[in-house]
Amino acid sequence: EVQLVESGGGLVQPGGSLRLSCSGSGFTFSDYGLHWVRQAPVRGLEYVSAISTKGDGTYYADSVRGRFTISRDNSKNTLYLQMTNLRAEDTAVYYCLREWLHWYFDLWGRGTLVTVSS
Amino acid sequence: DLQMTQSPSTLSAAVGDRVTITCRASQGISSWLAWYQQRPGEAPKLLIYTASSLRSGVPSRFSGSGSGTDFTLTISSLQPEDSATYYCQQANSFPEIFGGGTKVEIK
Repeated sequence: EVQLVESGGGLVQPGGSLRLSCSGSGFTFSDYGLHWVRQAPVRGLEYVSAISTKGDGTYYADSVRGRFTISRDNSKNTLYLQMTNLRAEDTAVYYCLREWLHWYFDLWGRGTLVTVSS
Repeated sequence: DLQMTQSPSTLSAAVGDRVTITCRASQGISSWLAWYQQRPGEAPKLLIYTASSLRSGVPSRFSGSGSGTDFTLTISSLQPEDSATYYCQQANSFPEIFGGGTKVEIK
């Protein structure tokens, strides 16, 4: 089955760190650009970060630049998001996405919830 | 930054009704636009890409149109399973790529 599965979410205190993982299966992982998008409770979708197929190109939204780091290990079919200095406003469900054609997203994981609270 | 504005934010319609959702870009994006459906508790699902191309497997009652700055998603005959929030997404430039969403409720 073609799928993305996120893990690593949980409760963390403000200022803390967390690493999210996204495992891909059923497709050639290294052929696709990958992205993270988040959705705060009862809110819309917010773009977070992107990484190229080989991992040599990355992009971050202003809201996370300098605090989050995206990376991938194509040998393990896994995408990562290292999050540091977390804030309450980072509380959200984080989705990993597969890029298709030109910046469309044809495959989404089910998401992992990150809660930043003391 | 490019901004995407959807309207209405919520709409209520009966089964069988024709429903139209609008998405406006703050600057021209040619046809670089997609539509997604998000049912409660689920991840979004791609419905339409390049403004009017229907993704394989998506029911033909869904259609998209527009180019430049103004786009529409139309559901020709609303079904109970179409109760969801719909998002437009521009594929022209990062980072403000998503509209605010339109929640479609069934009367």
